[in-house]
Amino acid sequence: GQNIDQPTEMTATEGAIVQINCTYQTSGFNGLFWYQQHAGEAPTFLSYNVLDGLEEKGRFSSFLSRSKGYSYLLLKELQMKDSASYLCAVTDSNYQLIWGAGTKLIIKP
Amino acid sequence: ETGVTQTPRHLVMGMTNKKSLKCEQHLGHNAMYWYKQSAKKPLELMFVYNFKEQTENNSVPSRFSPECPNSSHLFLHLHTLQPEDSALYLCASSQDRAGGTDTQYFGPGTRLTVL
Repeated sequence: GQNIDQPTEMTATEGAIVQINCTYQTSGFNGLFWYQQHAGEAPTFLSYNVLDGLEEKGRFSSFLSRSKGYSYLLLKELQMKDSASYLCAVTDSNYQLIWGAGTKLIIKP
Repeated sequence: ETGVTQTPRHLVMGMTNKKSLKCEQHLGHNAMYWYKQSAKKPLELMFVYNFKEQTENNSVPSRFSPECPNSSHLFLHLHTLQPEDSALYLCASSQDRAGGTDTQYFGPGTRLTVL
């Protein structure tokens, strides 16, 4: 079966750095997405990785290792507004998007 | 503003009611999606439309009936639902379905409660 694993919940402190991991077992790979979803709101696109390595966008970075079936989202200089769920999703060989259950990130002052 | 709107935002219905969810996208996209989001579970893809044609129906019960009159509008008609159908229903759109690598843009969802 196809599976995306990410921690259910994480807690971090304002101003700190947090890394949210995502591991996947899918039939093939055609890219990995990270989305952010605030409570009661729409998921919004954060990043897309299809090649190995680190993609940086301001305070957020996303890393991919295809050989390990692993990605992480790195959030720096955490702000209270970063409290949200972070969804990892992988496109498989049939171009189906497989979603993880999301990681709820709680930021404390 | 995401460019994808959904109405109503909240809906409470009995098991014998008939209601419809509406989604509209203002992004000029060709593909639209319905997802079900339940607490602590992955997003479940329900239906996909590409250029108004339904391309996927992921074994969704017939009590959910989609309609896509044009590339900008998508409806989900609901009838004789069960309490376990209570969830957040998300609509999304993307430039097209080809490749499945297009970024999807989501609406805020309809929070559905079935009594």
